Amino acid sequence: DTEVTQTPKHLVMGMTNKKSLKCEQHMGHRAMYWYKQKAKKPPELMFVYSYEKLSINESVPSRFSPECPNSSLLNLHLHALQPEDSALYLCASSQDQVLNTEAFFGQGTRLTVV
Amino acid sequence: GENVEQHPSTLSVQEGDSAVIKCTYSDSASNYFPWYKQELGKGPQLIIDIRSNVGEKKDQRIAVTLNKTAKHFSLHITETQPEDSAVYFCAANFGNEKLTFGTGTRLTIIP
Repeated sequence: DTEVTQTPKHLVMGMTNKKSLKCEQHMGHRAMYWYKQKAKKPPELMFVYSYEKLSINESVPSRFSPECPNSSLLNLHLHALQPEDSALYLCASSQDQVLNTEAFFGQGTRLTVV
Repeated sequence: GENVEQHPSTLSVQEGDSAVIKCTYSDSASNYFPWYKQELGKGPQLIIDIRSNVGEKKDQRIAVTLNKTAKHFSLHITETQPEDSAVYFCAANFGNEKLTFGTGTRLTIIP
C-alpha cells in the first residue's frame, strides 16, 4: 500500500470560514509534508513534520495551521484565507526525514476561496 | 540558493519517438533526484529516482542519468505512448528534509 489519502477532494470556503484538510497514510512513514501548488506551477513546500514534530515551516502565514495528531495523520487548519490562497494542496509522506527515500503524494485537495 | 532549473517547458514528440527532459541544480550537496509525473487533476506520481552514488538508472522505457560534476540530470523516455502525456517535474533535495521541484515540462505525445 503506497497510498496517501487526502480529504476532501474539493473545498470551497468563504474568507471568514474555518475548515480543515486531512491527510492519512498507513505506510509507517515518519515524515509528512504539506505542499501548495498553483496552476501550471511546481509544488511549493509549506510544512514538514518529522516524527510528529514540526521541523520546517517555510514562512507560511499563520492563517494556515498544521497539526500532526499521530504518525498516520496530518491536518491543515484553515482560517481567514484570501482568494489568492486558492490552489491545490498536496500532502506527501516519506519513510523518514532524510530524503534518500521516496516521497509519495496524495491526490490533493482543490481549494477555492471566495 | 535552492534552485532547480528544468528545460524544456513544453515538449511534443511523435508516438514511438524518444523524449528527453533536462534539469540542473544549484547545491553540490544534493544527493537525491526524483522525477514525478503529474496528470491533470491528480497528485504527482514518483516514476523514477536516482541517488548520487550512481550515474544511470533504468526502469523499462524510462531512464535517468546524473552528472554530478556538471550538476545536471536528465529523464529519458523511449518508445513514447499517448499515456505518457503529462506534466513531468524533476526535483532535488536540499539538506535532509527539503525537496525542491523544477518548473515542470508539459509533454504531449502526438498519435
